[in-house]
Amino acid sequence: DAGVIQSPRHEVTEMGQEVTLRCKPISGHDYLFWYRQTMMRGLELLIYFNNNVPIDDSGMPEDRFSAKMPNASFSTLKIQPSEPRDSAVYFCASSLGAGRITEAFFGQGTRLTVV
Amino acid sequence: AQKVTQAQTEISVVEKEDVTLDCVYETRDTTYYLFWYKQPPSGELVFLIRRNSFDEQNEISGRYSWNFQKSTSSFNFTITASQVVDSAVYFCALDSGGYQKVTFGIGTKLQVIP
Repeated sequence: DAGVIQSPRHEVTEMGQEVTLRCKPISGHDYLFWYRQTMMRGLELLIYFNNNVPIDDSGMPEDRFSAKMPNASFSTLKIQPSEPRDSAVYFCASSLGAGRITEAFFGQGTRLTVV
Repeated sequence: AQKVTQAQTEISVVEKEDVTLDCVYETRDTTYYLFWYKQPPSGELVFLIRRNSFDEQNEISGRYSWNFQKSTSSFNFTITASQVVDSAVYFCALDSGGYQKVTFGIGTKLQVIP
């Protein structure tokens, strides 16, 4: 398996623009996570899905952030409108659950810069 | 509530020295999972180990070893004979209750000097 695949790897956008980050989890994994990493706050869990259903979105900072998982092999994290304070590295991760707790496998991240 | 504390923000050692990275966790659940991840300068997060709360056996994998002590709520990580390639940020993490909602510590940046 190619692992968790995220795109784009780098994104530079202007304040106010819409940004969409994409993730393809490892095939067969039933959990998908979106994390944000900043120097100030470290790694924060934004939202996670189980079998394509959002389970906990309490980490989503504002209504400007939204995430979807239309099928088992694809998820998006959208920021609209983007602000400079959204600049961070966004990681997607996937894992097996359903009683078989495993570690999360992380993608390589998307470095977002909002200018 | 779950919390992970990595009190050491940065550590520098000379190559071949042993180094221990501390991790203290807080949870009210009796079932939980602990993890260590490595983040090298390239930025990806690499899984190192998973431990469940019912298994207090220490583990050794090559130069890496982990000491899990429920009595002190600690899950410390030791690198023996450190190498320059060990330079990275190391994260301790906790899944309290096994609900897949993992909390990460702030990370310890390890620099191994040749």
